[in-house]
Amino acid sequence: AQSVTQLGSHVSVSEGALVLLRCNYSSSVPPYLFWYVQYPNQGLQLLLKYTSAATLVKGINGFEAEFKKSETSFHLTKPSAHMSDAAEYFCAVSEPGRRALTFGSGTRLQVQP
Amino acid sequence: DTGVSQDPRHKITKRGQNVTFRCDPISEHNRLYWYRQTLGQGPEFLTYFQNEAQLEKSRLLSDRFSAERPKGSFSTLEIQRTEQGDSAMYLCASSTGTGGPPNTGELFFGEGSRLTVL
Repeated sequence: AQSVTQLGSHVSVSEGALVLLRCNYSSSVPPYLFWYVQYPNQGLQLLLKYTSAATLVKGINGFEAEFKKSETSFHLTKPSAHMSDAAEYFCAVSEPGRRALTFGSGTRLQVQP
Repeated sequence: DTGVSQDPRHKITKRGQNVTFRCDPISEHNRLYWYRQTLGQGPEFLTYFQNEAQLEKSRLLSDRFSAERPKGSFSTLEIQRTEQGDSAMYLCASSTGTGGPPNTGELFFGEGSRLTVL
């Protein structure tokens, strides 16, 4: 079965600083990978997805992620954090032959003024 | 608002009681998913419907859990004889699509139904 590992359950950055949220996956075949964001008291929303096209994927709100097969990684970055980016972020992988997405345990991003 | 709607948002029950959650997906979405999320964890897949057919079930879905999607519209998730370990947020998501797996599309999530079993 496929899985994703998110390093760091909590990340704190200053407003304007680089955001880097880490995600590593395990897969024997090329995966489809996703980043979702969950703001307080809201449902999860798709930030971006990789489905075997360009390895650098741009998403909403200035976020992007790069698929690196050699490192089995799909880290999420944003050049300059904004207070409104404070939320929980989930990396997810789509398993071959299944409709289910497997989610990581999440990383809570705090943005300090 | 035409997003995914879940009801009730919060449910407190005593151990051993039955509870039922309802999900109304986005109207044109033929795919519907139930997930469970506990504190500090990511969503865990429970079951998947394509139209009215339940096509995937997780091993997490014990025989105390049953899900239905009559007529391919709204869905219900029932938990019988609740246990304290059932306390969690139950998430519903929907999407469109006609192709086979794997899933490459966007899932639209509701705000969830929080269950507390005393």
